[in-house]
Amino acid sequence: GAVVSQHPSWVICKSGTSVKIECRSLDFQATTMFWYRQFPKQSLMLMATSNEGSKATYEQGVEKDKFLINHASLTLSTLTVTSAHPEDSSFYICSAGFPDRGKYEQYFGPGTRLTVT
Amino acid sequence: QKEVEQDPGPLSVPEGAIVSLNCTYSNSAFQYFMWYRQYSRKGPELLMYTYSSGNKEDGRFTAQVDKSSKYISLFIRDSQPSDSATYLCAMSHSGNTPLVFGKGTRLSVIA
Repeated sequence: GAVVSQHPSWVICKSGTSVKIECRSLDFQATTMFWYRQFPKQSLMLMATSNEGSKATYEQGVEKDKFLINHASLTLSTLTVTSAHPEDSSFYICSAGFPDRGKYEQYFGPGTRLTVT
Repeated sequence: QKEVEQDPGPLSVPEGAIVSLNCTYSNSAFQYFMWYRQYSRKGPELLMYTYSSGNKEDGRFTAQVDKSSKYISLFIRDSQPSDSATYLCAMSHSGNTPLVFGKGTRLSVIA
């Protein structure tokens, strides 16, 4: 089946620094990827839709200047958390669907756990 | 009313039991329905995927979608301790749109 990878799987950073998280689709090209955030014991909340070659679409309440998304190729989307603060500590997960291959289900990466100290 | 409702549990069953998990939803535009299993500190793993109404079976897992009632179910037969996880239902309007998730049901299968 389709595989989505994320890197890093775990990162600790100091308050005020920036962190970049990569999401890669393996075996398939993904014109659209999605970024979610999950706080402990809560469900996944959509942050933004990442479109290859164009600007990301952010959900209401998500600061686009703080969470920078770049989808530079059909297999890579990056999420950069700028000027991170402790309240940004969370589990960040990306997903991708591959409708051009007839795969309408979505596959998730393993997630990146961000801890801001 | 939330778009997708799912009882968070926790649900505890003995090994070998049949587990029934379900979600209700309010948006009739949903066409794609998925069930994910998530272990602690891991990304969700796709278990079952169904388009529109109907049943789908894969090993010990059966997914049902009843669009007329806006109700979906996941059945786990002969449950195992390794099935202990959080189960998330998710749905979308089309094949490449964001998923709307239920809260997830925490399941514990006791040996």
